[in-house]
Amino acid sequence: AQSVTQLGSHVSVSEGALVLLRCNYSSSVPPYLFWYVQYPNQGLQLLLKYTSAATLVKGINGFEAEFKKSETSFHLTKPSAHMSDAAEYFCAVSVNDMRFGAGTRLTVKP
Amino acid sequence: DAGVIQSPRHEVTEMGQEVTLRCKPISGHNSLFWYRQTMMRGLELLIYFNNNVPIDDSGMPEDRFSAKMPNASFSTLKIQPSEPRDSAVYFCASSLQRGANQPQHFGDGTRLSIL
Repeated sequence: AQSVTQLGSHVSVSEGALVLLRCNYSSSVPPYLFWYVQYPNQGLQLLLKYTSAATLVKGINGFEAEFKKSETSFHLTKPSAHMSDAAEYFCAVSVNDMRFGAGTRLTVKP
Repeated sequence: DAGVIQSPRHEVTEMGQEVTLRCKPISGHNSLFWYRQTMMRGLELLIYFNNNVPIDDSGMPEDRFSAKMPNASFSTLKIQPSEPRDSAVYFCASSLQRGANQPQHFGDGTRLSIL
């Protein structure tokens, strides 16, 4: 069975600073990996997905994630945080079905 | 294009009442998922359908919960009788087809409060 762990339930950065949200997965077979974002009172929206075509995946809103098989990681980054990036972010791993991490709440300070 | 549509957006009702949540998936999507989100337990998959057929309902908490998908454009999640511990945000999601590489598209959820 597959699982995903998001390190840090809360991350706080200053506007303009690097955003790094950590995700590690466990799977016995090569998985598909996803990052979703949830804004207040809304559903989850797809940011990006990894499907083995390329290890560095670019998503919407300037986010990207790098698949590292040796580290079983799929961390999400953005070079410069914007106030509008404040939200909850979910990593998900999919083999037979999709499993979501517990989420990381990103706060952006002015 | 219209996304996943859920109704109602908010529901407040008293313990013991029947609650029905509704979902219209994206047109052409063959898989539909119901999730529950709480602070304590995070996002939990309750049930999912493929081509209107329930495939996995192992996440349904107990017999008070039931879900149906009478056609490709409509699904319901029913709680009867409701209890305060059912208070949560319930999401419906759909995907183009069944498959591990298929992203899910979420509605904006129904915030359910059982008094």
